[in-house]
Amino acid sequence: AQTVTQSQPEMSVQEAETVTLSCTYDTSESNYYLFWYKQPPSRQMILVIRQEAYKQQNATENRFSVNFQKAAKSFSLKISDSQLGDTAMYFCAFMKLDTGANSKLTFGKGITLSVRP
Amino acid sequence: EPEVTQTPSHQVTQMGQEVILRCVPISNHLYFYWYRQILGQKVEFLVSFYNNEISEKSEIFDDQFSVERPDGSNFTLKIRSTKLEDSAMYFCASSALYEQYFGPGTRLTVT
Repeated sequence: AQTVTQSQPEMSVQEAETVTLSCTYDTSESNYYLFWYKQPPSRQMILVIRQEAYKQQNATENRFSVNFQKAAKSFSLKISDSQLGDTAMYFCAFMKLDTGANSKLTFGKGITLSVRP
Repeated sequence: EPEVTQTPSHQVTQMGQEVILRCVPISNHLYFYWYRQILGQKVEFLVSFYNNEISEKSEIFDDQFSVERPDGSNFTLKIRSTKLEDSAMYFCASSALYEQYFGPGTRLTVT
């Protein structure tokens, strides 16, 4: 079974600064995807970024980027130029690919990020 | 931009009652999912569905739960006899391939 660990329960960052959210995972799979989802106070789950395990290049989406260390099973999210709207719970999630595209997501416990004005 | 919708946004029911939670996935998606999140806890997988069949289900998804795609657009989750511990936020998601897009959730409160 896969496990996803987010050990930091809360973080705070000043607006316009950079923050990194940590995530580690444990799996024996070689073929998988990793995701970060954002859950603002509205509680809707919003996909932030995706990383394919076979890709060495770290994924980037505008102000969001990841540091994917496959050997260390680490997948951190960096948010640059933090904005007040980034205040949310952030979940790291794992998807193994052996069952194809219909695979479930396994989530970590999440981290609450607060952006201070 | 297409999005997943869910109704109702909040459902209050008495223990032992049946509830049906409804979802309209993104129209060209083929894979559908239900997850739940008990307040303050992580999001947990319940079931995945493809080609009118359950693909995978978790140990949470026992005989009290069922899913259905009654027509070309809706995807429903039924809980036959609700328990207090079923109180949670229920999320529907859909995907074309690997990226799952979530609906806004239905908050289920069992009293």
